[in-house]
This record gives sequence, structure tokens and C-alpha cells, in this order.
Amino acid sequence: ILNVEQSPQSLHVQEGDSTNFTCSFPSSNFYALHWYRWETAKSPEALFVMTLNGDEKKKGRISATLNTKEGYSYLYIKGSQPEDSATYLCAFPGGYQKVTFGTGTKLQVIP
Amino acid sequence: SQTIHQWPATLVQPVGSPLSLECTVEGTSNPNLYWYRQAAGRGLQLLFYSVGIGQISSEVPQNLSASRPQDRQFILSSKKLLLSDSGFYLCAWSVRWGQYFGPGTRLLVL
Repeated sequence: ILNVEQSPQSLHVQEGDSTNFTCSFPSSNFYALHWYRWETAKSPEALFVMTLNGDEKKKGRISATLNTKEGYSYLYIKGSQPEDSATYLCAFPGGYQKVTFGTGTKLQVIP
Repeated sequence: SQTIHQWPATLVQPVGSPLSLECTVEGTSNPNLYWYRQAAGRGLQLLFYSVGIGQISSEVPQNLSASRPQDRQFILSSKKLLLSDSGFYLCAWSVRWGQYFGPGTRLLVL
């Protein structure tokens, strides 16, 4: 069983604040790491696929970095908006392309 | 480009009734296919995955079953629904890394 951990579990920020959260994963046998944005009762939306150590990806106000040697990835949101409120999941592929999902960070942006 | 379809979008079923949820993928061949469930207030739970036609692996013992009669078709079934089967069901596919999700089916068992 792969151990993929996310922290914090939940986060409340004021509109306009920047924030970041962490995904920790096994550093051995790394293939890729995915970040998803997930609103309850909706389909998770793929944000980033990260494959190389030192990768940095950006999509609008959201960016992510990857450190495969130490086994972590950070997701940053600059100038949070209420529409950013969601659960952010990281996912780590394993055997048979089974993907282990982290428990998620639930972000609430307060207007 | 690849697309994934699920139906129905919403379903209300009485306890003890059968269930059939269907998922199809377009634009790819020999994908790995997955069924997940999100129960109320909980995260994503992997129910089944399939690496090919007729090949099904079950992750947790439960009241549900899955079948893959065609390369790009994945079906989730139950003979008799329980109240605890209520939730949001997601189908996903993958080739190489990561997974891509369908729109989901919201199931309410009454």
C-alpha cells in the first residue's frame, strides 16, 4: 500500500490571500504525480501531471512544484478567489496503473 | 481526443432493486478502467479496476460487481441495492500515467 499524504486536511483563507499545500509520496519508483481539483459530487478536474524532478507547472493563478528525491510536491494558489474553493487531490500511480489518491486538502476561500 | 461517458447522471432506486451503471470511453484503445465511489462526507474509494476485457479486480468486498464486456465499456452492477450503496460513482480511464474521470452518477438508494 502506497502512502500518499496531503497536508493540511483543510484550510480557510481570505479572498486575495495566497496559499499552498503539500503532497508527500514515496520517493522510490517514481513515475508521475497528478494534481486534481475536485468539487463534491462533480468529476475531479486534472490540473497538472508532473514527471520530472524540479518540474514547475502553472495554470493561471495555480502552480505546482515537484521534488522527487525527497518525495513531495507543493501546490500554490496566488490571490485566492471564492471559486477556488474545492478539495485538491494529489495522486500517485502504482502497479497496473492503479493510482493512490491522497486524502485531499479542502480549501475554503472566504469572500 | 479521448472522452469518457457515464450514464445515467442521476438515479434514485429503492432498496433491494438491481443496479446497472455504464461507462464508455472513446478515442483510445485498451485503456485501464476504474470505478470509484464517493460516499457522503468521504473521499474517493476505488471499487474495481480492469486492465482488459473480462479482467476485473475488486478492491473491497461489497455488494457490487463489475464487468468489462468490450474494450471500452465498463459496467457496475448490483443484484440488490443497500442503503449504504448511495453515493457518487465515478468511472475513470488511464493510459500510462494518471487518470481521467467521467462526469459521474449520483445514486440515491431509498
